[in-house]
Amino acid sequence: DQQVKQNSPSLSVQEGRISILNCDYTNSMFDYFLWYKKYPAEGPTFLISISSIKDKNEDGRFTVFLNKSAKHLSLHIVPSQPGDSAVYFCAATSTGGATNKLIFGTGTLLAVQP
Amino acid sequence: DAGVTQSPTHLIKTRGQQVTLRCSPKSGHDTVSWYQQALGQGPQFIFQYYEEEERQRGNFPDRFSGHQFPNYSSELNVNALLLGDSALYLCASSLWNTPWEKLFFGSGTQLSVL
Repeated sequence: DQQVKQNSPSLSVQEGRISILNCDYTNSMFDYFLWYKKYPAEGPTFLISISSIKDKNEDGRFTVFLNKSAKHLSLHIVPSQPGDSAVYFCAATSTGGATNKLIFGTGTLLAVQP
Repeated sequence: DAGVTQSPTHLIKTRGQQVTLRCSPKSGHDTVSWYQQALGQGPQFIFQYYEEEERQRGNFPDRFSGHQFPNYSSELNVNALLLGDSALYLCASSLWNTPWEKLFFGSGTQLSVL
């Protein structure tokens, strides 16, 4: 049962353009969402997060949008840079639940072409 | 300031064997979580340790066990290895009950079961 889905295994974007990575979830109890970036041979690193009480959170070139009714979130990277090339994981959790753990999606490999 | 360190980085075992993976948390952290990342999948939560006790557990069989030591370091043990246990095992550390953004991952141990 895949509660967090990233349906695009890969995405290729030109440098300077916008990258949009998508994530869908099925569990309506999820109320906190995070994006992680992972380079090869390194662990995931936190990128940006959003609470379900918001529909947008922005941090520099990175913006996360949350559509609760559609159970969908997206990460926008503008402008994209070659150093952004990595695997991006969406993760979700239920902060009020008895088991407070992160559920990850399968990841999207972003390639930013110079 | 050393981050989360894991050893070994790579390991090859055969079916039926037992394996122990080790993790030293980031300095100042007291909570350790373990994740399994199979090829093409996102990290899956195995369990979390705090104050030398298992606090939460994901959907993994009893073959997976762990330990936390007084210095906060941790071990993950897997008995009776199966081919399907081949994966990247990630350790993450944090302070107990701190925001998810403060969760730091190690680079992982790549386990291959032949």
